[in-house]
Amino acid sequence: QQQVRQSPQSLTVWEGETAILNCSYEDSTFDYFPWYHQFPGESPALLIAIRPVSNKKEDGRFTIFFNKREKKFSLHIADSQPGDSATYFCAASVAGANTGKLTFGHGTILRVHP
Amino acid sequence: AQTIHQWPVAEIKAVGSPLSLGCTIKGKSSPNLYWYWQATGGTLQQLFYSITVGQVESVVQLNLSASRPKDDQFILSTEKLLLSHSGFYLCAWSLNIYAEQFFGPGTRLTVL
Repeated sequence: QQQVRQSPQSLTVWEGETAILNCSYEDSTFDYFPWYHQFPGESPALLIAIRPVSNKKEDGRFTIFFNKREKKFSLHIADSQPGDSATYFCAASVAGANTGKLTFGHGTILRVHP
Repeated sequence: AQTIHQWPVAEIKAVGSPLSLGCTIKGKSSPNLYWYWQATGGTLQQLFYSITVGQVESVVQLNLSASRPKDDQFILSTEKLLLSHSGFYLCAWSLNIYAEQFFGPGTRLTVL
């Protein structure tokens, strides 16, 4: 079953806190896991991505933690800023499927209060 | 640098009318191209992908069709719109099927 589950549906944090967004999947053939963020009225923008060769990927304030055994991955946003308020989508794909198909989660709406 | 352009920016159409949406990418030769659909407040669903000119594969059936008449152009169309076609249509590109996908600005479609 090619599904990607995302939680929570919405998350509110204070400025400066770490926001944690979670995703899980069932298909063990998934081997590429990107995170996108989308601001109201705009298209999604790639934030950071990981492949299972590693269990952690950092880019500035954004870190992906990946747990292959439990089929879970999470996005940690350190020192959250009001400008980080957006909808965050995790996704997964199977490189060997030859389609480039990305399966997206249903999104987490993040609000960062100043 | 690669730029991706979608047209029109927004469209309001009647049920049963035809539709054609376009996507052009500049600055990259032979990109992989994708069409996605997003309902208001919803997730993204891939509709079509194309690896090369003239070849388009359907991922999900929504009474839509797609074509790639040129290396840098991807067209989404239907002869008869349904209310359920309303939403945000996004074109995306990647270097190959294993690479990161980047989205265009999108076309917002309202079917009345």
